[in-house]
Amino acid sequence: KQEVTQIPAALSVPEGENLVLNCSFTDSAIYNLQWFRQDPGKGLTSLLLIQSSQREQTSGRLNASLDKSSGRSTLYIAASQPGDSATYLCAVRNSGYSTLTFGKGTMLLVSP
Amino acid sequence: EPEVTQTPSHQVTQMGQEVILRCVPISNHLYFYWYRQILGQKVEFLVSFYNNEISEKSEIFDDQFSVERPDGSNFTLKIRSTKLEDSAMYFCASVSRGYNEQFFGPGTRLTVL
Repeated sequence: KQEVTQIPAALSVPEGENLVLNCSFTDSAIYNLQWFRQDPGKGLTSLLLIQSSQREQTSGRLNASLDKSSGRSTLYIAASQPGDSATYLCAVRNSGYSTLTFGKGTMLLVSP
Repeated sequence: EPEVTQTPSHQVTQMGQEVILRCVPISNHLYFYWYRQILGQKVEFLVSFYNNEISEKSEIFDDQFSVERPDGSNFTLKIRSTKLEDSAMYFCASVSRGYNEQFFGPGTRLTVL
């Protein structure tokens, strides 16, 4: 059974810092991996999708990498801003249209 | 930009009552999912739906739950007799064929008293 773990559970940084969020998964035979953002009491906003054949994806200040063989992904946020404060969730899919398995998330607070 | 919508945003019900949560997936999407998130816990898969039938379901999705696509646009989750532990945020998601990024709705917060 796939298990997804995210470290750290919470992170507090001053504005402008570059930071890395970590995600690990137990079954490396994944189809793809998705990073989401969740604001308090709100829905999930998809940030980046990495297919199993890819090593990384970039969107603006966000860069996600995938090392499938070691069961790890990282989300790099450059030049963090207070508006980045949210919970970041990592989720993996084991086959084409199957369900996503989520981690518990990293709660990020960026202070001005 | 197309988006998944869900209604209501918040539903309060008494234990034992039936509730129906509604979702309108993105129009050209073919795969539909329900997830739930109990406060402070992980997002958990409930059920997936394709071609008018359930394609996968979790242990959580017992006989108290059912899903339906009553017309070409709506996708519903029914809980027949709600329990206190059903209190959670329920998310609907959809995926288009050939591009398997899941898009989530804003969620329905269900409170069972």
